[in-house]
Amino acid sequence: EAGVAQSPRYKIIEKRQSVAFWCNPISGHATLYWYQQILGQGPKLLIQFQNNGVVDDSQLPKDRFSAERLKGVDSTLKIQPAKLEDSAVYLCASSLRPQRSYNSPLHFGNGTRLTVT
Amino acid sequence: KQEVTQIPAALSVPEGENLVLNCSFTDSAIYNLQWFRQDPGKGLTSLLLIQSSQREQTSGRLNASLDKSSGRSTLYIAASQPGDSATYLCAVNPYGGSQGNLIFGKGTKLSVKP
Repeated sequence: EAGVAQSPRYKIIEKRQSVAFWCNPISGHATLYWYQQILGQGPKLLIQFQNNGVVDDSQLPKDRFSAERLKGVDSTLKIQPAKLEDSAVYLCASSLRPQRSYNSPLHFGNGTRLTVT
Repeated sequence: KQEVTQIPAALSVPEGENLVLNCSFTDSAIYNLQWFRQDPGKGLTSLLLIQSSQREQTSGRLNASLDKSSGRSTLYIAASQPGDSATYLCAVNPYGGSQGNLIFGKGTKLSVKP
């Protein structure tokens, strides 16, 4: 099966600019997650979708970050305006069903490496 | 607050050795624990998922154990190969959080020398 697709792979922007990341999950996966991974750290959940509904966005900095999942398939994550501390790898993951309820493993994309200067 | 710690932070071994990576977590109230592998510049690859009711899972040369009461998990890699070189992360899915709110350790960077 095709994996989780993310684009772009790399992005360099100046602070206060805006940026958008795109994710296409594995076909049929109802649950989609966006994680932020700062260098040397483990990933941290930003937002979780179940189909096209938001399940958890408690750790999403809503003053600057937004995300949507179109028709329950593709998803975009946007940052506006970006800050220096947003420099990180943004990982998209999907699972067939919610990870906890069905012990369904997460499948990750290769991520987008964002550098804010 | 759940915290996950992985020791050692880095490990270098000669090819062919058996090795153990350690993961500890502070709160035993978890649904499951998952081990991932991350290659440089890549995303995470799921290796093994252990449900809270299970003690271990095996896949090929990998064996993961879970002792929920002591807050520990180990990943055993048999007959290591240079292709096993990567960063290994463990993550727990704790009670009280949302479905996808995995709590990750910082990882163990493994280097297997030919």
